[in-house]
Amino acid sequence: DTEVTQTPKHLVMGMTNKKSLKCEQHMGHRAMYWYKQKAKKPPELMFVYSYEKLSINESVPSRFSPECPNSSLLNLHLHALQPEDSALYLCASSQGREFGNQPQHFGDGTRLSIL
Amino acid sequence: GQQVMQIPQYQHVQEGEDFTTYCNSSTTLSNIQWYKQRPGGHPVFLIQLVKSGEVKKQKRLTFQFGEAKKNSSLHITATQTTDVGTYFCAGSSWAGNMLTFGGGTRLMVKP
Repeated sequence: DTEVTQTPKHLVMGMTNKKSLKCEQHMGHRAMYWYKQKAKKPPELMFVYSYEKLSINESVPSRFSPECPNSSLLNLHLHALQPEDSALYLCASSQGREFGNQPQHFGDGTRLSIL
Repeated sequence: GQQVMQIPQYQHVQEGEDFTTYCNSSTTLSNIQWYKQRPGGHPVFLIQLVKSGEVKKQKRLTFQFGEAKKNSSLHITATQTTDVGTYFCAGSSWAGNMLTFGGGTRLMVKP
């Protein structure tokens, strides 16, 4: 069982829809991440939140909007996505500010399909 | 920017054979981490190496960090079908920087 919970597990949406992906962890971690993973590729970092503040935004299009309401929750708001945005979206968390030096715990992911 | 390369991309082995995947970084790393992702699953943290020349073992898995802290390897002895999955290395050049993932090595084991 994963300690990082993501919902929904699967999502199919049209290009004009607005939806949100949710992630929750109760390990007391203060860094949370969104990754995008295409088939047979490594996870690709999108955003990093540290102590509820956006620390890294890897030049992600504005149709993806992250939000960190508190230290346990991370959302990814989706609007006007493109078919090429279809992928597995992974949330991860780690202990604190030293992003590169700490193991990351991943959720099961949300498999997103854009019609 | 930092690049992490991993070889091979794919490896088919007969059950019981050994397997090795190699990871090379364009820059010196502060640490290297290894993750395993089963088909249809999510990456799971396996181990972290920090010291130059470090070797760590987990049952049939042996992890090494190079002396120059720019390369690493994962060796599996006597593979089993449960070892199937993609193995990713991930490194960072300093603590405040993000992890950069290698391209992964997909291991397939024939029973």
